[in-house]
Amino acid sequence: EIVLTQSPVTLSLSPGERATLSCRASQSVSTYLAWYQQKPGQAPRLLIYDVSNRATGIPARFSGSGSGTDFTLTISSLEPEDFAVYYCQQRSKWPRTFGQGTKLEIK
Amino acid sequence: QITLKESGPTLVKPTQTLTLTCTFSGFSFSTSGVGVGWIRQPPGKALEWLALIYWDDDKRYSPSLKSRLTITKDTSKNQVVLTMTNMDPVDTATYYCVHRGGDVVVEPSSNWFDPWGQGTLVTVSS
Repeated sequence: EIVLTQSPVTLSLSPGERATLSCRASQSVSTYLAWYQQKPGQAPRLLIYDVSNRATGIPARFSGSGSGTDFTLTISSLEPEDFAVYYCQQRSKWPRTFGQGTKLEIK
Repeated sequence: QITLKESGPTLVKPTQTLTLTCTFSGFSFSTSGVGVGWIRQPPGKALEWLALIYWDDDKRYSPSLKSRLTITKDTSKNQVVLTMTNMDPVDTATYYCVHRGGDVVVEPSSNWFDPWGQGTLVTVSS
């Protein structure tokens, strides 16, 4: 199965700062990669799909990039509501797999 | 608006079989490409995909759990049922059902899990 490794595990930043989260795949997933955001006590929600497309209602400060095995989620200027856990997921091959998550916390 | 809701026991004993039901609205299995899946999350841990059933009854399972899982659908009731046999305390988790869309022309994000149900916490303990 494809293993997704996210880094860092925890990212401590202040509101207004830029956040850069990484997801690395153990083999190429082409552009079949998505990002989800999960806030405490809530279900995950789709943020970015097919590497760089924002899901419905997602603000423009969220962007994604990459291809093959290396992907990045960027939040251009952090808002208080952005502090959460972020997961990447691939749909290139079965089984579908998720990364272990990056916790974005307030510094 | 698409909604999904999980239901089932909150507590099961080791070795028992877990049966979870996902009841959804806002879409149907009559749409080509549509799927409903299950994903779980142990407390404080990452997400783990379990199974997915498509509109045409094609089924996919996590290889590591395939021998214990069965996913079925009841199109007339707009429900999907997941059964997991031989439950163990390590199976304690929040179980989510998720929608997978059908037409990328209508909804470009259709190939992904969106939206998710609220989740249901299942504890395995004697």
